[in-house]
Amino acid sequence: EVQLVESGGGLVRPGRSVRLSCTASGFTFSDYTISWFRQAPGKGLEWVGFIRSETFGGTVEYAASVKDRFNISRDDSKSIAYLQMSSLKTEDTAVYHCSRSSKAGGSGWYTSWGQGTLVTVSS
Amino acid sequence: EIVLTQSPGTLSLSPGERATLSCRASQTVTNNYLAWYQQKPGQAPRLLIYGASSRATGIPDRISGSGSGTDFTLTISRLEPGDFAVYYCQRYGYIPITFGQGTRLEIK
Repeated sequence: EVQLVESGGGLVRPGRSVRLSCTASGFTFSDYTISWFRQAPGKGLEWVGFIRSETFGGTVEYAASVKDRFNISRDDSKSIAYLQMSSLKTEDTAVYHCSRSSKAGGSGWYTSWGQGTLVTVSS
Repeated sequence: EIVLTQSPGTLSLSPGERATLSCRASQTVTNNYLAWYQQKPGQAPRLLIYGASSRATGIPDRISGSGSGTDFTLTISRLEPGDFAVYYCQRYGYIPITFGQGTRLEIK
């Protein structure tokens, strides 16, 4: 069974940093692009960014709203993807979900999602 | 950036009725790279439809997707209690990935 479990969320002060982890199981992690999405309280879904499989260079893409502040990486030996978030703003407050793309080389559709981890940015 | 606009914002129907949800794109969705997701409170999104009309694994055939170009529709025939949720359309395959603002399907 495919499983994705996020961790690392919590209360963070504005301007500070936090790293989220997405631990995967039940599939060959290295074969897939992994995306991060977020959902602010009571709001809709927003794409944050993704990292392609190493077959496609492990390259990353980001939404304009987080580019230059967020960084996505992966450790295929541990089946974990990371979302390093820096210079956090109150508007980054959201539940962050990781998800497995149907493709190795970029964004396909997303069949498997983690339950999410809440990041609250507040002073 | 392609903007997806979903309508209506809220749809109130009774179990057994038919639901028709719309997703309109500001530009042509190339290759019909359009997906639909269902989300219930406190849960992760669940993929229903990809490629505008292909059902995901385990999705019953009373749920269907149609459309092309800029206009897409999700149809749920014979609503069941578990269908009442929020539905999102998503354009994938190109950067940025975008979502519609969602349609809330509520029990009348």
